[in-house]
Amino acid sequence: DTAVSQTPKYLVTQMGNDKSIKCEQNLGHDTMYWYKQDSKKFLKIMFSYNNKELIINETVPNRFSPKSPDKAHLNLHINSLELGDSAVYFCASTPGTGGSGANVLTFGAGSRLTVL
Amino acid sequence: ELKVEQNPLFLSMQEGKNYTIYCNYSTTSDRLYWYRQDPGKSLESLFVLLSNGAVKQEGRLMASLDTKARLSTLHITAAVHDLSATYFCASPPVGNTGKLIFGQGTTLQVKP
Repeated sequence: DTAVSQTPKYLVTQMGNDKSIKCEQNLGHDTMYWYKQDSKKFLKIMFSYNNKELIINETVPNRFSPKSPDKAHLNLHINSLELGDSAVYFCASTPGTGGSGANVLTFGAGSRLTVL
Repeated sequence: ELKVEQNPLFLSMQEGKNYTIYCNYSTTSDRLYWYRQDPGKSLESLFVLLSNGAVKQEGRLMASLDTKARLSTLHITAAVHDLSATYFCASPPVGNTGKLIFGQGTTLQVKP
């Protein structure tokens, strides 16, 4: 069983369209994240939810809207897609938000979004 | 604001050689992570360094952390082709371990 699974793996769409990426984790973790990796491989956090509550919301255009229906799922909806949104989006999870212990991120396989 | 910088960004080396990747971070942080990413793949956790002086080793890779110098190193011993990948270090702001700030990544190419 895949620990953190994302769908779709590839997404090709036109500018101006709206698309969603879904993520599910079966690790029993409380906290989930969206990270964006650009064409130069630079990784940046976008959002984080802890047990369905938004706890991290970085400087991201409001065209991006995360939703967490329960602690095992975190989806990302993007409105009015732009060329600059082309990237690989990684979902990840951790047992908690901080404190002692390693709190290692477990990443999904990534969803490659190409906007034409 | 925490910044994380790696060098070199690209490293081409012969099999059997040793080399070190450096990771500097700009403000106080109490832990440092190393990840590996193969082309087109996800990120895989390699090491977590939780205190000053921590050293972790697995196979031909060894990571260390000096929190006073705000420096972590990833040392490669007798490189083999299978180690070819991009290596990222990442550090969180204190108390926020999920919000990792990543370095730019070091792409390692090991030639036979």
